[in-house]
Amino acid sequence: QSALTQPASVSGSPGQSITISCTGTSSDVGGYNSVSWYQQYPGKGPKLIIYEVSNRPSGVPDRFSGSKSGNTASLTISGLQTEDEADYYCRSYTGSNSPYVFGGGTKVTVL
Amino acid sequence: EVQLVESGGGLVQPGGSLRLSCAASGFTYSNVWMIWVRQAPGKGLEWVTNINQDGSAKYYVDSVRGRFTISRDNAKNFLYLQMNSLRAEDTAVYYCARDGRPHAADSWGQGTLVTVSS
Repeated sequence: QSALTQPASVSGSPGQSITISCTGTSSDVGGYNSVSWYQQYPGKGPKLIIYEVSNRPSGVPDRFSGSKSGNTASLTISGLQTEDEADYYCRSYTGSNSPYVFGGGTKVTVL
Repeated sequence: EVQLVESGGGLVQPGGSLRLSCAASGFTYSNVWMIWVRQAPGKGLEWVTNINQDGSAKYYVDSVRGRFTISRDNAKNFLYLQMNSLRAEDTAVYYCARDGRPHAADSWGQGTLVTVSS
């Protein structure tokens, strides 16, 4: 199972909006509404910020939103803040005997 | 408060074995799927394995199938990862996590470092 494709880096200024893409195939991202997104700071464990494509766990700011079109899922951060500078990973269910796959990760830089 | 605390990492020679443990607390452990995810130094996350609530279903990434075994003790609230025939490419921080949301890991430990080197 190949890793999902994410841009290596995305940057934006405070207050701007950025979008991170996560591209897979019809066997993973396109086949299921089971995409989740994680935020990770250096040296820390990941934190769930989006599940089932567009749902936010309690406590996650509403400036984080998720969507999906075809084989590509997207994470949008609106009103970018300095504390949003971190690595972001998508994960999708695949339905195979290796049922999950992560994206390669995207480093978000706040200029 | 949900807590997941990994232990058991360390330095091991290629071909050696190691068992990781994850102590879970703050939730009904026997009700959820649990997973192991690893992260090689400077690299991204890789899903490794998961186990269902009673331990009857287990899945693995192709690169570890036949070498790693996931298990759980619901009486003690522990998750384990037995790693055999270790290779240099298994060097990573290993995280245990709770798949408490549909197909999503909503709680993570801080990780334990496994280094495979001679």
